[in-house]
Amino acid sequence: DIQMTQSPPSLSASVGDRVTISCRASQYISKFLNWYQQKPGRAPNLLIYAASSLQSGVPSRFSGSGSGTDFTLTISSLQPEDFATYFCQQSYSAPRTFGGGTKVEIK
Amino acid sequence: EVQLVESGGGLVHPGGSLRLSCSASGFTLSSYWMHWVRQDPGKGLVWVSRMNTDGSSTTYADSVKGRFTVSRDNAKNTLYLQMNSLRVEDTAVYYCVREGRGSGSYPFDYWGQGTLVTVSS
Repeated sequence: DIQMTQSPPSLSASVGDRVTISCRASQYISKFLNWYQQKPGRAPNLLIYAASSLQSGVPSRFSGSGSGTDFTLTISSLQPEDFATYFCQQSYSAPRTFGGGTKVEIK
Repeated sequence: EVQLVESGGGLVHPGGSLRLSCSASGFTLSSYWMHWVRQDPGKGLVWVSRMNTDGSSTTYADSVKGRFTVSRDNAKNTLYLQMNSLRVEDTAVYYCVREGRGSGSYPFDYWGQGTLVTVSS
């Protein structure tokens, strides 16, 4: 199975900050990498697919980059509604494994 | 509007069985691969199973293989997960998830609200 490692596990940031979350795959996955946002008590919501494509309806302050094994999710200017947990997921091969999550908290 | 609504969760004893249902609306279920994903309370996401469009191909996580069975009734626009020989470690919120098409990376583009399965004596 492909292991997905996210860092950091949590971070504290202020409204307006630029936030970067990293995700590393244990083997090559090309651009088969997706990012999800999850708020407490809610289902995950797709933000970015194919490493860098913005899902319809997602604000443009979210962006993704990377290919191969190393990927990044960036929030250019953190908004109050962005405090949540973020997960990466590889869709290169079964089983579709997820990263452990990064919890973004208010500083 | 695409909607996925799970039902069938609840409290069950170890060794027991439960069947989850996922009712789909706003799209044609038969056109999409579908998945089940679970989440331990307060923890990460774990993929459980998937089924192709016509139900002829299924895949399972090693942790549930031989105990869980995914099925679908496209005429009823419903996906199912039959869970047998349940263990305490199967306790989780179970999500029904649609795999997106044409996006190049097969993301999970729609999720149900989840249904809680608690396995406890």
